[in-house]
Amino acid sequence: QSALTQPASVSGSPGQSITISCTGTSSDVGGYNFVSWYQQHPGKAPKLMIFDVSNRPSGVSNRFSGSKSVNTASLTISGLQAEDEAHYYCSSYTSSSTWVFGGGTKLTVL
Amino acid sequence: EVQLVESGGGLVQPGRSLRLSCAASGFTFDDYAMHWVRQAPGKGLEWVSGISWNSGSIGYADSVKGRFTISRDNAKNSLYLQMNSLRDEDTALYYCAKADSTGIIYPIDYWGQGSLVTVSS
Repeated sequence: QSALTQPASVSGSPGQSITISCTGTSSDVGGYNFVSWYQQHPGKAPKLMIFDVSNRPSGVSNRFSGSKSVNTASLTISGLQAEDEAHYYCSSYTSSSTWVFGGGTKLTVL
Repeated sequence: EVQLVESGGGLVQPGRSLRLSCAASGFTFDDYAMHWVRQAPGKGLEWVSGISWNSGSIGYADSVKGRFTISRDNAKNSLYLQMNSLRDEDTALYYCAKADSTGIIYPIDYWGQGSLVTVSS
């Protein structure tokens, strides 16, 4: 149950787009379309932003989108806003009937 | 409105036990799987355990297997985590989380605010 691999940090200016990658294996990301993305602001509980690779819960801005290619999932945030500054975590269901999270990515809005 | 309220955390010595509880409201509890996820201070999220709507399917992270036991009481709208043989590395904020359907294969869509467990002598 190794953690999924995410970049430790990404940054972008307001209005720009950024993409956060999440790399796993054929036993997790590559084997299932059960990939989710969570946003966590300091001192707060995580919030679901994307589920099932590319679906947005109601209430989540359409500036957030998800995709997957083979063993790597991606979260793209377009039209970056100051409020997007947070940690982002990917997660995937695994062939062991468990879930695994990525190490997290800190997004800084410059 | 979905509400998940954890309780039972605190300071405990290594090797001892602790039981976390999660009181759920705002949704039909027995229609959904539930999970426990933890976050060590300053670290990332770690999935701990999940249980299906009828307790028929249960999973554990390797790091807690054999020491932790997840359970639920649908009549009381409550989720539990019995933690035995606690270690220093179990120190974390423990989140109760709701899945978006009946099985543990479904993703988490709501989280509680967490209960802090500190393991230290």
